[in-house]
Amino acid sequence: AQKITQTQPGMFVQEKEAVTLDCTYDTSDPSYGLFWYKQPSSGEMIFLIYQGSYDQQNATEGRYSLNFQKARKSANLVISASQLGDSAMYFCAMRGSIGGTSYGKLTFGQGTILTVHP
Amino acid sequence: DAGVIQSPRHEVTEMGQEVTLRCKPISGHDYLFWYRQTMMRGLELLIYFNNNVPIDDSGMPEDRFSAKMPNASFSTLKIQPSEPRDSAVYFCASKPKGLQGPKPNYGYTFGSGTRLTVV
Repeated sequence: AQKITQTQPGMFVQEKEAVTLDCTYDTSDPSYGLFWYKQPSSGEMIFLIYQGSYDQQNATEGRYSLNFQKARKSANLVISASQLGDSAMYFCAMRGSIGGTSYGKLTFGQGTILTVHP
Repeated sequence: DAGVIQSPRHEVTEMGQEVTLRCKPISGHDYLFWYRQTMMRGLELLIYFNNNVPIDDSGMPEDRFSAKMPNASFSTLKIQPSEPRDSAVYFCASKPKGLQGPKPNYGYTFGSGTRLTVV
């Protein structure tokens, strides 16, 4: 079974600073995908970034980067130059591989509420 | 593409009543997922379908919950009878076949959710 753990219920950051949101995972699937989503107060789920388990480089999407450490089973999200609009709930999620027990479905962590202070 | 469409957006019902949530996935997507979000339990996968067939319903909380996908363009999640503890936001998501979908979201597209309140 897949498991995603986000140990930070809440995080605070000053505007324009960088922040790291932690995510660790556990899976028996030979390959997998890791996702981060943002959920603002309006409630929609917004895709941020994706990392495949066999990708050689860490994923980056604008101000978002994923610090992927496979041996440690961690996939931390780094947001650089935080903006007030980054205040939201952030979810880490994992998808299993074809042939694995968890193929297709996304398993989510508990989420981290990020608050950006001016 | 209109994306994943869920209806209604908000539902308030009395305890004991039947509630039906609806979802229209993106055309051509083979997978459909139902998630429930609460403060206490976070985002839980209730059930998912592949080509209209339920694959994993282990997250369905109890017999009061049922989900169907009669065709590729429509799914329902029904709660009968509803209870106050069912109050939550219910998300539907869909995904095309294949290990990794196209950018920008690598295949998974979420609907806007249905906020259910059972009083």
